[in-house]
Amino acid sequence: QQQVKQSPQSLIVQKGGISIINCAYENTAFDYFPWYQQFPGKGPALLIAIRPDVSEKKEGRFTISFNKSAKQFSLHIMDSQPGDSATYFCAARSGAGNQFYFGTGTSLTVIP
Amino acid sequence: GAGVSQSPRYKVAKRGQDVALRCDPISGHVSLFWYQQALGQGPEFLTYFQNEAQLDKSGLPSDRFFAERPEGSVSTLKIQRTQQEDSAVYLCASNPGLARQLSSYEQYFGPGTRLTVT
Repeated sequence: QQQVKQSPQSLIVQKGGISIINCAYENTAFDYFPWYQQFPGKGPALLIAIRPDVSEKKEGRFTISFNKSAKQFSLHIMDSQPGDSATYFCAARSGAGNQFYFGTGTSLTVIP
Repeated sequence: GAGVSQSPRYKVAKRGQDVALRCDPISGHVSLFWYQQALGQGPEFLTYFQNEAQLDKSGLPSDRFFAERPEGSVSTLKIQRTQQEDSAVYLCASNPGLARQLSSYEQYFGPGTRLTVT
């Protein structure tokens, strides 16, 4: 059973556009929600993270929107650039045991 | 300072062989995690250490998988009698741990070891 459901599986965006990736969860014990960026042959790298007591967090071109009641969170990449082309994973940490659960990933392609 | 390092980066094993994968976490990081990442999928939790104590091994797929961190720093993931379904990238991550600050949950991943079982 997938603890964190991620969509879409792939996304193509024009340079300068907004990329939006969505995730949903059910476990109310989750207390930390990070987003990771992964390039081929590399390990995931933390982009931005949020705790459930905050509805939005912005760092540069990256914004997390968090809806606690709907158990959903999303990543917005503003002014998308070709260098943003990568696979993005959402994740959630269980406060009950420090396990991290990852989504299945979104392959983002930004067209010049 | 250096990030998380893993070795070897690539490993080809014949079915039935034993393999050992090494992880060097960031110095001083309390927590260390192992993940398995199948092609086109997200990382899946295998096991977690806090210092030398293995606090959770619920993600290990079978008793052929064994992990240790005897001195609370370097960790080794061992897979005995490898099977084709073990082919994947094995990722290690560390984080500062313990304190209830957002930054203490940040995981730093190594580049992974790609294991191919033939």
